[in-house]
Amino acid sequence: RKEVEQDPGPFNVPEGATVAFNCTYSNSASQSFFWYRQDCRKEPKLLMSVYSSGNEDGRFTAQLNRASQYISLLIRDSKLSDSATYLCAVNKGGKLIFGQGTTLQVKP
Amino acid sequence: DADVTQTPRNRITKTGKRIMLECSQTKGHDRMYWYRQDPGLGLRLIYYSFDVKDINKGEISDGYSVSRQAQAKFSLSLESAIPNQTALYFCATSDATSTKGVMETQYFGPGTRLLVL
Repeated sequence: RKEVEQDPGPFNVPEGATVAFNCTYSNSASQSFFWYRQDCRKEPKLLMSVYSSGNEDGRFTAQLNRASQYISLLIRDSKLSDSATYLCAVNKGGKLIFGQGTTLQVKP
Repeated sequence: DADVTQTPRNRITKTGKRIMLECSQTKGHDRMYWYRQDPGLGLRLIYYSFDVKDINKGEISDGYSVSRQAQAKFSLSLESAIPNQTALYFCATSDATSTKGVMETQYFGPGTRLLVL
């Protein structure tokens, strides 16, 4: 089993839709979690950090479920510009372990 | 100017050649990392360094070596390149653990596309 797992998708949604991605992790000792956005083979850029139960930033909400060892990313009112790959990352001993990413395509 | 820079941005080389990828940062961070990204496999850690005198192997260090020349510079070398090292390589930096006891986020360079023929 991979340490950090994501459904690669792609998730195809219409503009305005709400979409959610999950990311499961195996190390119960992890304390910090991150969602990165990556556009078309460019560098990943931090979208949100999650240190406790959750975090919200505009249309984006990240939640942490320690009991079930997963984090989720919810995107409300999807825009065409949200089309990208979303990577989750989990802290392990000062390093980040990344999932393979989930691809989102928002259609007009 | 970008905070994390990588050179070259693109490189084509032949099997058996030695090549070096360079990373520089102006963020003043102690920690630096090298990753490779392959389609469907996400980012995999090659080497990391928590300070100038600290070098650690990551998940996939075989066939690679690194040098931390200064706080701001971290180089990745392929001693004898092979075709399965064709990938997108990213350098990243982060600050030391914050006072809250959680790890600060990582900031990535623009990447180097490497093709080994």
